[in-house]
Amino acid sequence: SSDLTQDPAVSVALGQTVRITCQGDSLRGYHPSWYQQKPGQAPIFLIYGKNNRASGVPDRFSASSSGNTASLTITGAQAEDEADYYCNCRDSSGKHLVFGGGTKLTVL
Amino acid sequence: EVQLLNSGGDLVQPGGSLTLSCAASGFTFSSHAMAWVRQAPGKGLDWVSSISASGGSMYYSDSVKGRFTVSRDNSKSTLYLQMTSLRVDDTAVYFCARDRHETTSAYFDYWGQGSVVGVSS
Repeated sequence: SSDLTQDPAVSVALGQTVRITCQGDSLRGYHPSWYQQKPGQAPIFLIYGKNNRASGVPDRFSASSSGNTASLTITGAQAEDEADYYCNCRDSSGKHLVFGGGTKLTVL
Repeated sequence: EVQLLNSGGDLVQPGGSLTLSCAASGFTFSSHAMAWVRQAPGKGLDWVSSISASGGSMYYSDSVKGRFTVSRDNSKSTLYLQMTSLRVDDTAVYFCARDRHETTSAYFDYWGQGSVVGVSS
């Protein structure tokens, strides 16, 4: 299996840009997917692959990756973006899936 | 509109059993792999299990292998998770999700609302 590491918490000023990172060895071979979750709600699928947004996801959300690190960038963060964000990827076997520990985003 | 409706959550004693269901609609269920993901109180997301579109291949996390069984009834568009030998640390909200795979990416594009499973004496 493979672990994915995320910063527990990140903050951003309203309207500014923030990057949420995800690190793990399996990211060298696979692109992660990204999810947003607000308290008491099911996760919402945001992005997969190199940078493919799910239907209805604002274009202020984008993804990138290099080596063992992937990033979710929010350009011009809005108050409604305050949430927990998770990355997810296949492990090295390709048969199991693993989530990062999640990043709590606060919009100031 | 794709919908996944979780049901079957309950409070059970350690060592007990429970079966969760997930009724799907709005897409061709038999053409898609499905998965279970759980979230313990105050914790992050945790992949539990996936099953192929035909039901012929099942995958489990190490924490549930040998205790949980994923299955599906494509004629009823329903996904199941049979949980046995339940432990206190299985307490979580269990989500079903549609499981998509591409060559270099995997993702869960639709999620159910979740079923609450509590394991306590």
